[in-house]
Order: sequence, then C-alpha cells, then structure tokens
Amino acid sequence: QVQLQESGPGLVKPSGTLSLTCVVSGGSISSSKWWSWVRQSPGKGLEWIGEISHSGSTSYNPSLKSRVMVFIDKSKNQFSLSLNSVTAADTAVYYCATAGTGGHFDYWGQGTLVTVSS
Amino acid sequence: QPVVTQSSSASASLGSSVKLTCTLSSGHSAYIIAWHRQEPGKAPRYLMKLEGSGSYNKGSGVPDRFSGSSSGSDRYLTISNLQFEDEADYYCETWDSDTRVFGGGTKLTVL
Repeated sequence: QVQLQESGPGLVKPSGTLSLTCVVSGGSISSSKWWSWVRQSPGKGLEWIGEISHSGSTSYNPSLKSRVMVFIDKSKNQFSLSLNSVTAADTAVYYCATAGTGGHFDYWGQGTLVTVSS
Repeated sequence: QPVVTQSSSASASLGSSVKLTCTLSSGHSAYIIAWHRQEPGKAPRYLMKLEGSGSYNKGSGVPDRFSGSSSGSDRYLTISNLQFEDEADYYCETWDSDTRVFGGGTKLTVL
C-alpha cells in the first residue's frame, strides 16, 4: 500500500517561505491519483491546502491560493508544498495525503509540525 | 462549493453504539463523503466512503463495528460495541471538481 512521509524545516521565520516535501513509497506518483496537502492548526480541525494530479493539474484552497504552490517531481516520486509570506497563523501540523479514483483521501502521511516564529 | 457540518462533540458508554452525523449544505445533498478518524496525537486514518444511497465502502482493516448510512443531506457513521480506543476525533470530507472540504470534526468521548 502507499506510504507517505513528509519532511522539511520545523521552524520558519515570519514573512518567509514554508517548504515541505512528501516522499511516496509503495506506489508511483504517476498513477491516477491526486496528491494533496492538509494542515491542522493547534487544537483545530483539518484544512485542505491544495493538490496536484499525476498530470500536473493543480487546485488550491481559495483562502490560500495567492500564497501556495504544489508541484510534483516524478523522477524522485515526491511532491512538494510552498507557502510564502507566512505568519504565526500558518503554524500547524502539515499532512500530505492522497486521493484515488474514489475521490476521497485514502492514505495520509504522519504529519510534520511547522512553527512560524522569529 | 459544498459545506459539511458536524456536531463538535458526542459521548456514549463503553459497549454501546453511537451515531455521528455529517450534514451537507443546500444543493449538495447527493454528494459522496468520506469519514476519517484521528486518534489523539496521530494522523487521520480513512474509515469509509459513503454515498447518498447509503452504500458504503470501508478502508482496509476497518472493523465490522463501523458502518455508514444516509438520509437526505445527512451522512452517518455508526460505531457499535464502543471501545475506549474509539475515543477520537471523527471528520467527514467531501469534494468537488476543484475543491475539498472537511467538517469541523466531532470529538467522541467513550464513558
């Protein structure tokens, strides 16, 4: 089965750029799936950030669209998140997840905490 | 875009059953949803996909104690024979052509 593992800096300075990578194992990122990022602020619920398809099509949460990019690296079987102009409100656990042909998320990464602080 | 609404909390006794509700917004009553469970300090885990007809498909390894049903705009997750390990946050998810949304989550307490 597909396994996802997030990696990236745990601390980002305000106004900087948050960059995370999700490595996919147990399956090909070129398969018919959507590769997504979801975050969870401390004590809060899940918030969808955005996603990319195997063909490179992207969709983003309208509330974050001006600051976010998701991109795919098929050669490394991974996908990445870039979120710029971060503030303390972007402090959260960031999860990568994948949605298959059923449309829903079926696999999740373990999550990584990113803190925005000077 | 669709909106899904969940009660913030629910509680039930060990060994009993509980029914959690996810309500779809007006104009989206036919949408399919998915249920996910998040135990404290852990990542979410996919439980099942649930259609408006009430038909559901569970993820690998999800116990028989978990079932789904639907009525109009409401989608339900029923957990039978509650165990202490079922104490968790439960989220519903739905999606459209270019967006995904989660409900606010229901915190289930097992008494």
